[in-house]
Amino acid sequence: QTVVTQEPSLTVSPGGTVTLTCASSTGAVTSGYYPNWFQQKPGQAPRALIYGTTNKHSWTPARFSGSLLGGKAALTVSGVQPEDEAEYYCMLDYGGVHVFGTGTTVTVL
Amino acid sequence: EVQLVESGGGLVQPGGSLRLSCSASGFTFKTYAMHWVRQAPGKGLDYVSSISGEGGGGNTYYADSVKGRFTIFRDDSKNTLYLQMSSLRSEDTAVYYCVKDLGSIPRDFDSWGQGTLVTVSS
Repeated sequence: QTVVTQEPSLTVSPGGTVTLTCASSTGAVTSGYYPNWFQQKPGQAPRALIYGTTNKHSWTPARFSGSLLGGKAALTVSGVQPEDEAEYYCMLDYGGVHVFGTGTTVTVL
Repeated sequence: EVQLVESGGGLVQPGGSLRLSCSASGFTFKTYAMHWVRQAPGKGLDYVSSISGEGGGGNTYYADSVKGRFTIFRDDSKNTLYLQMSSLRSEDTAVYYCVKDLGSIPRDFDSWGQGTLVTVSS
């Protein structure tokens, strides 16, 4: 069974920078896995942030960016705002069957 | 504006069946691949199934955990996505979200509905 692993939790100060990563149990993550990133706040449906590794949706704030880093997909938030406190999920495409990551809780403190 | 409204959730006994619907508006439904994602109470997101849009080959995809029990299908004339669930188990208890893709091939998730709760319990 394929497992996609994220950091369980990260803490960042307002105005700081935080990088979340997304690793696949099958090996290095490449652009061929079309990494997507989502944000979910308590009591809300998830919201898409990044698709195709680096692409932003029209509503994605400029401070969010996606990349590949050391064999993993990565989401970087630069100039973190209090409203960025949320759960973040990555998702990888394994030939049409998608797998979500374990999720990262980002605390802004 | 894209709108996705799920319905059909509720309480069902183990071994029972349920059909979820997702009514779509604000975009040309037939063009886009669509997905179902679920989230058990207090847990993370869990991929369920995808179906391609027009020109995407008519393909369907399933998580191993639901393969053979769930069927995804769509009625483009009604702008509606469905998930037929059978042989339900307690571990299928979750909020089920309908998600639109960016294209006709299931790849990049875009807009999400608000979800419908399915509870499997005796």
